Amino acid sequence: SAVISQKPSRDICQRGTSLTIQCQVDSQVTMMFWYRQQPGQSLTLIATANQGSEATYESGFVIDKFPISRPNLTFSTLTVSNLSPEDSSIYLCSVGWGEAFFGQGTRLTVV
Amino acid sequence: GNSVTQMEGPVTLSEEAFLTINCTYTATGYPSLFWYVQYPGEGLQLLLKATKADDKGSNKGFEATYRKETTSFHLEKGSVQVSDSAVYFCASRIIQGAQKLVFGQGTRLTINP
Repeated sequence: SAVISQKPSRDICQRGTSLTIQCQVDSQVTMMFWYRQQPGQSLTLIATANQGSEATYESGFVIDKFPISRPNLTFSTLTVSNLSPEDSSIYLCSVGWGEAFFGQGTRLTVV
Repeated sequence: GNSVTQMEGPVTLSEEAFLTINCTYTATGYPSLFWYVQYPGEGLQLLLKATKADDKGSNKGFEATYRKETTSFHLEKGSVQVSDSAVYFCASRIIQGAQKLVFGQGTRLTINP
């Protein structure tokens, strides 16, 4: 199993600003995943972050909007840039192969 | 590709009722199948899983059987409790290749006392 600490748990941000979300895992993992959960919707994979290489983004997500860092095997950050109200969502990080473990999520509200 | 279709919600039941939440999948390979649950104010957590055809996953009174012939993984519970109120997500993952976890749209379940 893995314990994931994600912060902040929630934030309210102004349009045009950025928010950086941190994800800390209690064990070393090769891959970390970032998801978005829009209000009332399912989870959509944003990108996969490998340590020591560029993140791999899913269709519809770009690095300029969602830059990701992965400095070591236990930590990653996701930045949501140039915020607009459409970015209001829950963002989650996840690890795991056969069974995924999730952080508590970050609830972002853009005003 | 890999996709999951889940029963539309919300679902409202009385305590001790029988629950079924339907889930079907499409996959180019042989996926592992999962049910995740999201209790109010909490993150997702794994409820149960099955990794091959005819496997039955079970936990907390919930069960789901991997049916390859009908490409289904329906979630069932014989007698629900108020504490089961949550959002339930069906998911699949192809273990070979991309390893991406694909989620259904989620079903919000409310159990009334």
